[in-house]
Amino acid sequence: TQLLEQSPQFLSIQEGENLTVYCNSSSVFSSLQWYRQEPGEGPVLLVTVVTGGEVKKLKRLTFQFGDARKDSSLHITAAQPGDTGLYLCAGEASGGSNYKLTFGKGTLLTVNP
Amino acid sequence: DAGVIQSPRHEVTEMGQEVTLRCKPISGHDYLFWYRQTMMRGLELLIYFNNNVPIDDSGMPEDRFSAKMPNASFSTLKIQPSEPRDSAVYFCASSLTGLVKFFGPGTRLTVL
Repeated sequence: TQLLEQSPQFLSIQEGENLTVYCNSSSVFSSLQWYRQEPGEGPVLLVTVVTGGEVKKLKRLTFQFGDARKDSSLHITAAQPGDTGLYLCAGEASGGSNYKLTFGKGTLLTVNP
Repeated sequence: DAGVIQSPRHEVTEMGQEVTLRCKPISGHDYLFWYRQTMMRGLELLIYFNNNVPIDDSGMPEDRFSAKMPNASFSTLKIQPSEPRDSAVYFCASSLTGLVKFFGPGTRLTVL
């Protein structure tokens, strides 16, 4: 079973601060996705990274896939209250099905005004 | 455009009762997934369908759980009989390609 460990589990910061959350595994993934989930809603896909070392930017969010494709990070610059939510990473097993994602348990981010 | 629709949004039932959760995927999406989310285990894949055919049900916890997709626009997840440990949020997701998934709002199930 491939496991994805996310850290920190909880993060509470003030508006305007920067933060980084991590997603780590001992397994290699052919691709990795990041989702944000708000209370009472389903996860919403933010990005998919597929190449080792790949960096993608989405406004104030920067996503990086590790060179060995075992880990990923999400960096948020100048966090805003609207960034509050549960951030989930999900990996697609290398050599496996395209469709069976393994999810981490998430980082619950709270951005205080 | 309507996203994935799930019903009911909340379900409270007593142990031993049958529970049926419903999902309408996004029109044109060939893949449909059922997930369960708990604090302890996070988000887990239960089963997924491609073109209405179950492809992988290895995540279904036990025989009390069953899922059907009678047509491209409707799927059900049934639990019979339900147990307190089944309490969770159940999500349905659909996808055009299989990889990019669109999740519904979920059904919060509480089994007393």
